[in-house]
Amino acid sequence: AQSVSQHNHHVILSEAASLELGCNYSYGGTVNLFWYVQYPGQHLQLLLKYFSGDPLVKGIKGFEAEFIKSKFSFNLRKPSVQWSDTAEYFCGGSYIPTFGRGTSLIVHP
Amino acid sequence: GAGVSQSPRYKVAKRGQDVALRCDPISGHVSLFWYQQALGQGPEFLTYFQNEAQLDKSGLPSDRFFAERPEGSVSTLKIQRTQQEDSAVYLCASSAPGWGETQYFGPGTRLLVL
Repeated sequence: AQSVSQHNHHVILSEAASLELGCNYSYGGTVNLFWYVQYPGQHLQLLLKYFSGDPLVKGIKGFEAEFIKSKFSFNLRKPSVQWSDTAEYFCGGSYIPTFGRGTSLIVHP
Repeated sequence: GAGVSQSPRYKVAKRGQDVALRCDPISGHVSLFWYQQALGQGPEFLTYFQNEAQLDKSGLPSDRFFAERPEGSVSTLKIQRTQQEDSAVYLCASSAPGWGETQYFGPGTRLLVL
């Protein structure tokens, strides 16, 4: 069965710290991976996605993720977080979308 | 343009009541998805439509859950004889057809079954 797992459920950082959120997937077939973000009181929105081409994907607001096939990973990174990045982050994938349980990120000003 | 809208935004039901949740997708979006999100969890896939055809309903948790999209636009998720474990946020998303197309999510309907 297809599954996506996120390693960090709660992350607390200070502004300007670097961020890396882990995501691993386990399903075969054509890859389709994404990260969604949910800011407080807002809808889920797409941060970035990968389904072919350059494995290093750049998204909105300075986020990027790298698809590493050998590790079944698609970790999300940002070199310097801001207070406004406080949100829930969801990794997911496959044609019938499967989401991880999410990571709650709190950034202290 | 307008995004995905859902109604009602909040619904309180007594156990055993039937509820109907509505989703208005982005105009022209062929694909429509329903998800259930429990507190502290990620969205769980329920069902998927392409136009009016329900192509996958493998995520519906029981035969009390039923979804339709009769004219290929608005969709309704119906839950019969609600149970407390049905309490969750129900999300709708729509997308253009094709592999890897971005899903646009609505605000969700928060259902509380007492």
